[in-house]
Amino acid sequence: IQMTQSPSSLSASVGDRVTITCRASQGIRNDLDWYQQKPGKAPMRLIYAASSLQSGVPSRFSGSGSGTEFTLTISSLQPEDFATYYCLQHNSYPFTFGPGTIVDIK
Amino acid sequence: EVQLLESGGGLVQPGGSLRLSCAASGFTFSNYAMSWVRQAPGKGLEWVSVITGSSGSAYYGDSVRGRFTISRDNSKNTLYLQMNSLRAEDTAVYYCANTGYNYMQVYWGQGTLVTVSS
Repeated sequence: IQMTQSPSSLSASVGDRVTITCRASQGIRNDLDWYQQKPGKAPMRLIYAASSLQSGVPSRFSGSGSGTEFTLTISSLQPEDFATYYCLQHNSYPFTFGPGTIVDIK
Repeated sequence: EVQLLESGGGLVQPGGSLRLSCAASGFTFSNYAMSWVRQAPGKGLEWVSVITGSSGSAYYGDSVRGRFTISRDNSKNTLYLQMNSLRAEDTAVYYCANTGYNYMQVYWGQGTLVTVSS
């Protein structure tokens, strides 16, 4: 299963609403996670099962979608949210990550 | 405290072999399927392989199938990745994690760097 993400990068300001889209080449039900990664650090899961918020993750992060199209939304971008975001499908093997979306400061 | 500690990375020549280890502590290791994920310098994440908690099943990404072998020793709380016929494109930081399942908690190691170069 191939995963695509859009946009590949975006520039935004603190307080902006940000939306990232992930598309699967075939239906994956809701077997999708969203990860955040900062330079030199291991990834951190934000969302699992497409829309469930990981414990400890701020509520400004939300996920939606099912089947082939998924969305990660940050309702009000904070300084610590500037990072790279990846989706991961775990519906069928081999699992596959999206290519990533870089969120940087405008 | 949960810890996943990878080791075994280093410099290896093309065609060579290397075995990575991931020592787990602070959680019931045998209850979780465990994966290896890698990241080439300046690139995105690539899922490499997974093994079920009982070691009953293992799966691989297309780029490593036939060259890499995942295994685990639940008595030692340790995950392994045997990497053979290494290529320059296998150069990456390798992470172990219980990612890819709807576990309530996901744990990642800090990564170990593998460099394949002559």
